[in-house]
Amino acid sequence: AQSVTQLGSHVSVSEGALVLLRCNYSSSVPPYLFWYVQYPNQGLQLLLKYTSAATLVKGINGFEAEFKKSETSFHLTKPSAHMSDAAEYFCAVSEGRERGGADGLTFGKGTHLIIQP
Amino acid sequence: GAGVSQSPSNKVTEKGKDVELRCDPISGHTALYWYRQRLGQGLEFLIYFQGNSAPDKSGLPSDRFSAERTGESVSTLTIQRTQQEDSAVYLCASSILAATTYEQYFGPGTRLTVT
Repeated sequence: AQSVTQLGSHVSVSEGALVLLRCNYSSSVPPYLFWYVQYPNQGLQLLLKYTSAATLVKGINGFEAEFKKSETSFHLTKPSAHMSDAAEYFCAVSEGRERGGADGLTFGKGTHLIIQP
Repeated sequence: GAGVSQSPSNKVTEKGKDVELRCDPISGHTALYWYRQRLGQGLEFLIYFQGNSAPDKSGLPSDRFSAERTGESVSTLTIQRTQQEDSAVYLCASSILAATTYEQYFGPGTRLTVT
């Protein structure tokens, strides 16, 4: 079975500073990986996804993530944090390969990003 | 509508009662998914539909949980004889097809509290 570990339930950075949210996964098949963001009182929104093309993936709102197979990691970064980035961030891995193509996603527990003014 | 909608947004029920949660997917999306998010936990995949068919029900937590979908549209998740451990946010998502290359769009969720 696949699993996702997000290190740090809460991460606090200053406005303008680098954002780094960590995600490690385990998978018995080549993974598809995702980052979702959840703003207060809103549904989850896809930030970016890795589906075995380029290992450096660029997403919306200036976020990007790099797939590192040797480290089984898919960390999310943004060079300069903005107050509007404050939200809950979830890393997820696809179980599609194990479920014959069906895409039940396995999510991490989430990281709450706090932006200090 | 423009996005996935769920109702009710909040539901408080007494232990032992049955509840029905509703999901309206984006029009034209053939795939629909249900997830559960317990407090402090990540999302837990429950079940998915391709059309009106649910090929794999193994993610449902117990036989008290069931789901159906009609007309390749609305889906209901039913929990019978609710227990306190069923308290969670239940999220629905839809996509064009049940495949990785198609983004899952999430609804705002139904917060279920079992007292």
